[in-house]
Amino acid sequence: SQQGEEDPQALSIQEGENATMNCSYKTSINNLQWYRQNSGRGLVHLILIRSNEREKHSGRLRVTLDTSKKSSSLLITASRAADTASYFCATDAGANSKLTFGKGITLSVRP
Amino acid sequence: GAVVSQHPSRVICKSGTSVKIECRSLDFQATTMFWYRQFPKKSLMLMATSNEGSKATYEQGVEKDKFLINHASLTLSTLTVTSAHPEDSSFYICSASPWVNGASNEQFFGPGTRLTVL
Repeated sequence: SQQGEEDPQALSIQEGENATMNCSYKTSINNLQWYRQNSGRGLVHLILIRSNEREKHSGRLRVTLDTSKKSSSLLITASRAADTASYFCATDAGANSKLTFGKGITLSVRP
Repeated sequence: GAVVSQHPSRVICKSGTSVKIECRSLDFQATTMFWYRQFPKKSLMLMATSNEGSKATYEQGVEKDKFLINHASLTLSTLTVTSAHPEDSSFYICSASPWVNGASNEQFFGPGTRLTVL
């Protein structure tokens, strides 16, 4: 299976609820990033967490990284309908190295 | 913030023709650009890594003679799909990585190009 696998693969929640998405990977990493993609569009960078960091916040986003379990989670608090999109985690092994993407999670936020 | 553009955003071509897709970093210099392919409801698959002034590095299974990549300047990389076939129809996305002395590896993505080969 590929590096960077998210679960669940699809998530449907009510507006205002929190959404938690998980990502697991297999090899050592330098950074882990989360991206959002609206249907038929390019990727929007959400947050980057380095291998020596455990938690990071950005607005309504909270990312954790557990290198011992090779996993990361993305929490979106107080979700909005506009958060409906696909979310991908991506890992890299060092500066200017390629990103390896997970399969993605489709989040639907019902108004 | 760093902006990456792609042109065209959408292209329809006949089987057997060649199509060129441009990827530009608008407000930063990108020593490295990446080309990805994405099938519907699927993840991004890296096709090749493009370094300014040198040959691109292709991922396993990607035909370099079919997907020609040129990175002639620090702000422009092009992907040419040669002798296109219907199975080449896909969403192609580029990304650019600014050189920051190895402190981060953030990639900025273009909006993608939808290629349809008839």
